[in-house]
Amino acid sequence: GESVGLHLPTLSVQEGDNSIINCAYSNSASDYFIWYKQESGKGPQFIIDIRSNMDKRQGQRVTVLLNKTVKHLSLQIAATQPGDSAVYFCAENAGNMLTFGGGTRLMVKP
Amino acid sequence: DAGVIQSPRHEVTEMGQEVTLRCKPISGHDYLFWYRQTMMRGLELLIYFNNNVPIDDSGMPEDRFSAKMPNASFSTLKIQPSEPRDSAVYFCASSPTGGIRAAFFGQGTRLTVV
Repeated sequence: GESVGLHLPTLSVQEGDNSIINCAYSNSASDYFIWYKQESGKGPQFIIDIRSNMDKRQGQRVTVLLNKTVKHLSLQIAATQPGDSAVYFCAENAGNMLTFGGGTRLMVKP
Repeated sequence: DAGVIQSPRHEVTEMGQEVTLRCKPISGHDYLFWYRQTMMRGLELLIYFNNNVPIDDSGMPEDRFSAKMPNASFSTLKIQPSEPRDSAVYFCASSPTGGIRAAFFGQGTRLTVV
């Protein structure tokens, strides 16, 4: 029979709107968090990181928010563009091992 | 810097054959990771090295899988014998000590075992 794969949550946004992608992490000992973008046929690409002693970090068009109380991470993309269409993964780092979340697919409508 | 380089990009092999995947990490990075990505399980860490020494191989599925890092600029992941369920995309990643601890990924090797 047909195997059942991971069902990726999908976020569909209009070009030019802001996108917010959420992630819940599991390990309260994690002290470093990263967002990755993965386009079809490519490896995960580093977008932005944040250490656990911070609650917000901004990059170019992207902002990461960290809420350690509820173990929640979010990625905000301003003025979303068609080139932002991809699967986005959060990753948590405790020690030297990265553990990845399941990913969210972002689809940008022109 | 050319980034993490993996070869081959695609590999199709018959069940029972030996498969060797190769990785060249970013120069100066002393951590190297092997990941496997499937639709069923997402991204899984198989093994990682620090300064060429295997640190944690608890993610290696079974004895058919082995990884080596003979020097700072080269690592291999070997599957012998290969099985259809090994079909996946295998990624190599490297990271430096301290500072930005994010792993930087290669383009991956898509393995199909028939």
